[in-house]
Amino acid sequence: EVQLVESGGGLVQPGGSLRLSCAASGFTFSTYFMHWVRQSPGKGLMWVSRVNGDGSDTTYADSVKGRFTISRDNAKNMLYLQMNSLRAEDTAVYYCARGPDSYYGMDVWGQGTTVTVSS
Amino acid sequence: QTVVTQEPSFSVSPGGTVTLTCGLNSGSVSTSYYPSWYQQTPGQAPRTLISNTNTRSSGVPDRFSGSILGNKAALTITGAQADDESDYYCVLYMGSGIYVFGTGTKVTVL
Repeated sequence: EVQLVESGGGLVQPGGSLRLSCAASGFTFSTYFMHWVRQSPGKGLMWVSRVNGDGSDTTYADSVKGRFTISRDNAKNMLYLQMNSLRAEDTAVYYCARGPDSYYGMDVWGQGTTVTVSS
Repeated sequence: QTVVTQEPSFSVSPGGTVTLTCGLNSGSVSTSYYPSWYQQTPGQAPRTLISNTNTRSSGVPDRFSGSILGNKAALTITGAQADDESDYYCVLYMGSGIYVFGTGTKVTVL
């Protein structure tokens, strides 16, 4: 069974850092793009970042560029999102999602992990 | 700034048909944007319905179909059922590894 399980969410103060993790199973992880998508309370979905299969190509939404870093460890079937200089507006449920190729969006989603940025 | 627009809400009768659209504030949507569609119920993760304009994901009923209508991407639900009551989002691929979600449409079945 294809599965994505996020972890690492929690409460962090403004300006702080947090690293999210996503454990993948049931598919050949290294052959897929991977995404992070977030949803702020009561709001819509927002694409955050994407990484290619070998981790060499990463892209970001403008609102997180320079603060967030996406990475992956294919030996461990793990996806990460390092979030620095966190702001209140980064408060959201963060989902990891699989991307079947470069263009086709997301096909499998995790259940999400909640990040709250507040003092 | 790129804005992907969707209708805020739609109401459909059980058994009825509804077409949701996904447009761009800066031009027309074509297959070159590889539009995809997602369904989300409150408190749940999104579920992928359609990719690459019109390819249904595994297990998605054939009452869901995707297309390009005029200058927008479209998701049509034919024969709506009560459990289709959800929020629906489109995503467009903008090139250079950048994706933008639409504003979302809340569909009510009553």
